[in-house]
Amino acid sequence: AQSVTQPDARVTVSEGASLQLRCKYSYSGTPYLFWYVQYQRQGLQLLLKYYSGDPVVQGVNGFEAEFSKSDSSFHLRKASVHWSDSAVYFCAASMTSSSFSKLVFGQGTSLSVVP
Amino acid sequence: DPKIIQKPKYLVAVTGSEKILICEQYLGHNAMYWYRQSAKKPLEFMFSYSYQKLMDNQTASSRFQPQSSKKNHLDLQITALKPDDSATYFCASSQTGGEYFGPGTRLTVL
Repeated sequence: AQSVTQPDARVTVSEGASLQLRCKYSYSGTPYLFWYVQYQRQGLQLLLKYYSGDPVVQGVNGFEAEFSKSDSSFHLRKASVHWSDSAVYFCAASMTSSSFSKLVFGQGTSLSVVP
Repeated sequence: DPKIIQKPKYLVAVTGSEKILICEQYLGHNAMYWYRQSAKKPLEFMFSYSYQKLMDNQTASSRFQPQSSKKNHLDLQITALKPDDSATYFCASSQTGGEYFGPGTRLTVL
């Protein structure tokens, strides 16, 4: 079955430290991949997306993600986190060739940035 | 200005009643969706519409009925409400992939 897995339910990092949030997908082809962020009690905001080409994609607020076909992964990174990055991060994949197909979401990773 | 409007923001209903969740998008997108987020499950796809036509339905129950009266509207009618329907319902839209989400309607069924 097609799925997205975020193995870390909670991550805590110190402000100014680097960050990596992990995401793995299960799909025989190459999906469209996305990272979303959800601040407390708000909607989801698109951070970045990958369709094809350069496996490293840049997003908003200094986030980037790297696609690896061999590892079936799409990990999110940031060089230096800020307290305002505390939120829940969702990895998502669109696993059909249709441009308007449904997204399959991971369980989310709750990020806490501490002083 | 908000690009995707969902109304109401909060909704409390009694078991067995019927409610309609409103969604309007002003992004000019042709595809619209409904997702559900509950404490028990991650974000869960419900429906997708393209040019006001149903493209995909992953909702097991016929109690959930999307309604598209205009190109940029996709409402969600829920009948015979159950406590398990308590969740936040998100409307989304897209044009070329990568969906943009509304702020959600938080539904509580007592």
